[in-house]
Amino acid sequence: AQTVTQSQPEMSVQEAETVTLSCTYDTSESDYYLFWYKQPPSRQMILVIRQEAYKQQNATENRFSVNFQKAAKSFSLKISDSQLGDAAMYFCAYRSGGGTSYGKLTFGQGTILTVHP
Amino acid sequence: SAVISQKPSRDICQRGTSLTIQCQVDSQVTMMFWYRQQPGQSLTLIATANQGSEATYESGFVIDKFPISRPNLTFSTLTVSNMSPEDSSIYLCSEKKTGISEQFFGPGTRLTVL
Repeated sequence: AQTVTQSQPEMSVQEAETVTLSCTYDTSESDYYLFWYKQPPSRQMILVIRQEAYKQQNATENRFSVNFQKAAKSFSLKISDSQLGDAAMYFCAYRSGGGTSYGKLTFGQGTILTVHP
Repeated sequence: SAVISQKPSRDICQRGTSLTIQCQVDSQVTMMFWYRQQPGQSLTLIATANQGSEATYESGFVIDKFPISRPNLTFSTLTVSNMSPEDSSIYLCSEKKTGISEQFFGPGTRLTVL
């Protein structure tokens, strides 16, 4: 079974600075997807960014980018120019590309991000 | 992104009762899922809601406790039966369309069992 590990229970950053959230995963599959979700106090799960395993290029969405290291099974999220609205719980998630686990998300434990003004 | 609604958004229930949570998606989707998020915890998959057939449950979750229906491609319900305080959680539905990598979530239902 796949596992996802977020080793940072909490992180903090100053407004306008850059922060990196870590995520590692374990899988024997070659076809899979990785995601970062943000959950603010409203509890809505918001998709931040996704990465397809077959793509070598790291995904980028505005201020959010990932560092995908497939061999190391590492998938970190970098938030640039942090804003107060970025404060939330961030979850890393894994999804198989096919088979019986297709569509099912496996989540890490989450990292609480605090942004200081 | 998909528009997903859930009802109710929150509820406070007495132990021993049951609550049915509804999930509506704005367009036909291939797959719908139900997740549970216990207080301070991550999300755990309860089951995959299959259209027109019985749901597929993950280890640790059973149909008698969490009956699920999916009568069509845009709607599903999750019932939390014979509730106890340990069932106090946020329950979220999720959807995935064929050919689309992204997967989206409803706003969640916060359940408190007294």
